[in-house]
Amino acid sequence: QVTLKESGPGILQPSQTLSLTCTFSGFSLSTYGMGVGWIRQPSGKGLEWLANIWWDDDKYYNPSLKNRLTISKDTSNNQAFLKITNVDTADTATYYCARFPTNWGATYFDYWGQGVMVTVSS
Amino acid sequence: DIQVTQSPASLSASPEEIVTITCQASQDIGSSLLWYQQKPGKSPQLLIYSATILADGVPSRFSGSRSGTQYSLKISRLQVEDIGTYYCLQVSSSPLTFGSGTKLEIK
Repeated sequence: QVTLKESGPGILQPSQTLSLTCTFSGFSLSTYGMGVGWIRQPSGKGLEWLANIWWDDDKYYNPSLKNRLTISKDTSNNQAFLKITNVDTADTATYYCARFPTNWGATYFDYWGQGVMVTVSS
Repeated sequence: DIQVTQSPASLSASPEEIVTITCQASQDIGSSLLWYQQKPGKSPQLLIYSATILADGVPSRFSGSRSGTQYSLKISRLQVEDIGTYYCLQVSSSPLTFGSGTKLEIK
């Protein structure tokens, strides 16, 4: 059974660094073709892809967030992480992590966490 | 970056009606398009991958099609439980880009 769960600080102040953790079970990020991604959604708005990390530690980022993103993983503890530096109110959103496997050339986010709400406020 | 233009932004339909949502990609993405359903307060659920393949457990009234760079999600025989917001997502190249969403309501 595949599950993912996000955790984060809940609230933080502008200019701080947001650190998010995705703890998952039912799959391994050391498996060939496996990936995990982060997606966010401001309240009442659409979805925005942020970053992906692959089994081989390859990483992809959304350039719209410039150099503020860092994705990483701890394979032995089944966790993936996302850091966003210098946050501001525009980073207030629900943040999701999702499994992103490659099967027979097809890739997709198939299992998602429940999401964690993050509020940036002074 | 590849842009994905989704339409309509919202629609209202009656049960048993046929509903179609479209996404237009700004360049060739092959079959690298996904469709998701998101119900209020919930995480997105995968409906279709590789433009036309139904994800496991998804009712057969959902289907996906492709014509060039235009992609469509069709719901035949709309059910009350199909309310929610639908998103397409291109996974052909980074950055991955979502459509803006279609909010589906039941009349």
